[in-house]
Amino acid sequence: QVQLVESGGGVVQPGRSLRLSCAASGFTFSSFGMHWVRQAPGKGLEWVAVIWYDGGDQYYADSVKGRFTISRDTSKNTVYLQMDSLRAEDTAVYYCARDSSSGWFYLFDYWGQGTLVTVAS
Amino acid sequence: EIVLTQSPGTLSLSPGERATLSCRASQSVGGSTSLAWYQQKPGRAPRLLISDTSRRATDIPDRFSGSGSGTEFTLTISRLEPEDFAVYYCQQYGGSSTFGPGTKVDIK
Repeated sequence: QVQLVESGGGVVQPGRSLRLSCAASGFTFSSFGMHWVRQAPGKGLEWVAVIWYDGGDQYYADSVKGRFTISRDTSKNTVYLQMDSLRAEDTAVYYCARDSSSGWFYLFDYWGQGTLVTVAS
Repeated sequence: EIVLTQSPGTLSLSPGERATLSCRASQSVGGSTSLAWYQQKPGRAPRLLISDTSRRATDIPDRFSGSGSGTEFTLTISRLEPEDFAVYYCQQYGGSSTFGPGTKVDIK
């Protein structure tokens, strides 16, 4: 069965960096786009970033553009989110989600359990 | 950017009752039907319920149904089961993604 397991969350000071990981299993990782979606405490869902099935394209929400970088390692079936210059407003649970297609569809058919990132001094 | 609004914000119902949730888009969604619904329970990840306005995802019971097109969409739960009390989000997709603010269905 499809499994997505995030890791790497924690407490970090404003301006610092953090890298999240999402280990995928149960499907052909190289055939699907992968996304990160976040949810601030008590708030709704916000799409963050996508990487296409082959890593050839990446797109970002305006709120993180220039600060976050999404990447993938097919040999490890893992997608990453490098988060730099973190701000208090980046505090959220970060979910890894699979695109139902190559990356362009933005329909999230499987989700990980999430990892909490807290940006605070 | 397509903005989604959901109503009501909270729906208080009893088990066995019918739930009707609405989602309105600021402009027509892609292909008129690229609208999905997700269910989220406290402390859990969202789960895809319905895509393409009315297509149930794998293992989603048939008491969940979706309808609509263009800018007006509805999620209906025909008879609420105890496990259905949760927050429901609509999402437009297809080249981009935005979510609605959610409707909480709680026990009356």
